[in-house]
Amino acid sequence: GESVGLHLPTLSVQEGDNSIINCAYSNSASDYFIWYKQESGKGPQFIIDIRSNMDKRQGQRVTVLLNKTVKHLSLQIAATQPGDSAVYFCAENAAGGTSYGKLTFGQGTILTVHP
Amino acid sequence: EPEVTQTPSHQVTQMGQEVILRCVPISNHLYFYWYRQILGQKVEFLVSFYNNEISEKSEIFDDQFSVERPDGSNFTLKIRSTKLEDSAMYFCASSEWWGPNYGYTFGSGTRLTVV
Repeated sequence: GESVGLHLPTLSVQEGDNSIINCAYSNSASDYFIWYKQESGKGPQFIIDIRSNMDKRQGQRVTVLLNKTVKHLSLQIAATQPGDSAVYFCAENAAGGTSYGKLTFGQGTILTVHP
Repeated sequence: EPEVTQTPSHQVTQMGQEVILRCVPISNHLYFYWYRQILGQKVEFLVSFYNNEISEKSEIFDDQFSVERPDGSNFTLKIRSTKLEDSAMYFCASSEWWGPNYGYTFGSGTRLTVV
């Protein structure tokens, strides 16, 4: 069945450190992956995405890595700031059929950045 | 930046009562979604909606749930007879086209508390 999960439920880092958040997925048909940030009392906010035909994608201070061989996704945040403290979710979407719009979310990792 | 607006931000209701959660999607978006998030858990897909009909629904979306686009701007989720386990954050989302890479945007959510 479809499932997306995370290895580490919490991550604490010092301001300025780099953070790595991991995610495992099990649906081989997934071809699009997204990382979301969720702050308290708010909805998921898009951070970065990657298609299955890519291994790496970089944004501003964030990089997503995709390893399809082991069905693993990671989010790297460079020079982590206190404002990065939030819950981070990976989500996947499998094209085809009627599931174009459906996102399957992982459990989430709580990132805490200490000043 | 365009936003998905949800009202109310917090709804308290008695078990067995009907509730309607309201959403105003982004104006040029054609695809609409509801998700829920039980406290401390992952975000779960409920339903997708296009052209005035449900495109896909999850196992959670049973006969107690219904969705409607009553006019050109609102998108609603109705729970006919609420149960304690319906307590959760409910997120509306919308996108221009099928798929998360077409401006897929979440609202800030409605916290539903069933007592």
